[in-house]
Amino acid sequence: DQQVKQNSPSLSVQEGRISILNCDYTNSMFDYFLWYKKYPAEGPTFLISISSIKDKNEDGRFTVFLNKSAKHLSLHIVPSQPGDSAVYFCAASDGSTSGTYKYIFGTGTRLKVLA
Amino acid sequence: NAGVTQTPKFQVLKTGQSMTLQCAQDMNHNSMYWYRQDPGMGLRLIYYSASEGTTDKGEVPNGYNVSRLNKREFSLRLESAAPSQTSVYFCASSWTGWNTEAFFGQGTRLTVV
Repeated sequence: DQQVKQNSPSLSVQEGRISILNCDYTNSMFDYFLWYKKYPAEGPTFLISISSIKDKNEDGRFTVFLNKSAKHLSLHIVPSQPGDSAVYFCAASDGSTSGTYKYIFGTGTRLKVLA
Repeated sequence: NAGVTQTPKFQVLKTGQSMTLQCAQDMNHNSMYWYRQDPGMGLRLIYYSASEGTTDKGEVPNGYNVSRLNKREFSLRLESAAPSQTSVYFCASSWTGWNTEAFFGQGTRLTVV
């Protein structure tokens, strides 16, 4: 059973507009969340993180929002640029005893930013 | 900076053959991971290692073995490959801590026929 879901397989947005990528999870024990971006033929690269003690985290054009009661997070990209075209994964973890965190990844959303 | 290096980049195996995917990182990270990526399934964790000499199962460990040879290297072995193991395999490494980013290799595309 998929614990982390990205229900939109793809999204197209005009350059300069806002991109909103959504992620839902089922495990209420998840407290740590990451977003990764992946270009074709490359490994994923880290974008931004958030823990359950916060409901928002910003880094430049990227903002992640967490609604823990709804078990929902979203990634906002403003303004969107053609170079943002990639597959975006959210990932969630319920913690660690060893310092190493096991993250469960969603299925990904392919973002296409149209020039 | 090499970062995380995976070898080979591509491999075709016949059903029942064995092989080892190699991974090495030069960032002195404690934690290392193996993931597989399949269409519509995202990235799924196969095994991970919190430190040299320790390994733990992830979401989909069946059919795989791993070795954390030293702090730099973490190998994934398929003893008897099956068509269901056709996938793209990613190795990653990170520092310990919840918000430390994992650095991924470029992946190994494995086809089992």
